[in-house]
Amino acid sequence: GENVEQHPSTLSVQEGDSAVIKCTYSDSASNYFPWYKQELGKGPQLIIDIRSNVGEKKDQRIAVTLNKTAKHFSLHITETQPEDSAVYFCAASIRGSTLGRLYFGRGTQLTVWP
Amino acid sequence: EAGVAQSPRYKIIEKRQSVAFWCNPISGHATLYWYQQILGQGPKLLIQFQNNGVVDDSQLPKDRFSAERLKGVDSTLKIQPAKLEDSAVYLCASSLNPGLNTGELFFGEGSRLTVL
Repeated sequence: GENVEQHPSTLSVQEGDSAVIKCTYSDSASNYFPWYKQELGKGPQLIIDIRSNVGEKKDQRIAVTLNKTAKHFSLHITETQPEDSAVYFCAASIRGSTLGRLYFGRGTQLTVWP
Repeated sequence: EAGVAQSPRYKIIEKRQSVAFWCNPISGHATLYWYQQILGQGPKLLIQFQNNGVVDDSQLPKDRFSAERLKGVDSTLKIQPAKLEDSAVYLCASSLNPGLNTGELFFGEGSRLTVL
């Protein structure tokens, strides 16, 4: 099955700085890569996703890049704010099949200091 | 629109006891998932239902875990007998159609199980 590795496990930044989280995947058939944010005591929530036919996608302060050849993708958060503090999970799956199981990374605890 | 509802939020039991978790997905969502999230790890899929049929239970420890989704709406996940390593948050999620549409999963807040 798919194996998703995520780094770093913890990340501390000053408010206003940028944060980058990196993930690699093993299955070249994976074609859908979402990022979920999990706040304390809550379930994960989708914040951005990218499909394999796109190299980069941006939504306000959040961007995701994908390198299919190297099988890695990254989350970039600019102008970080304290409310960005949470655990972030990358995931990979094969869209277009009826299963579409998501394989999650182990998560990155992001802390933004005011 | 109401989100995914789960209960109970917290449960403490002793090993070898049984426990059941309940999930009510978002109305109209055909697909329902149960994930296990051990502390410090990402969610791991236990079972996936499409309407009331199981489409993926390959990661479900069937000797102790069972799940059902009667009438294609609510679902119950049961653990019997529980082991210490079952301590985790059990997340329920739903989606319209994961394979063909946007595939966004909507998660509930989870049920935290502690096995002593």
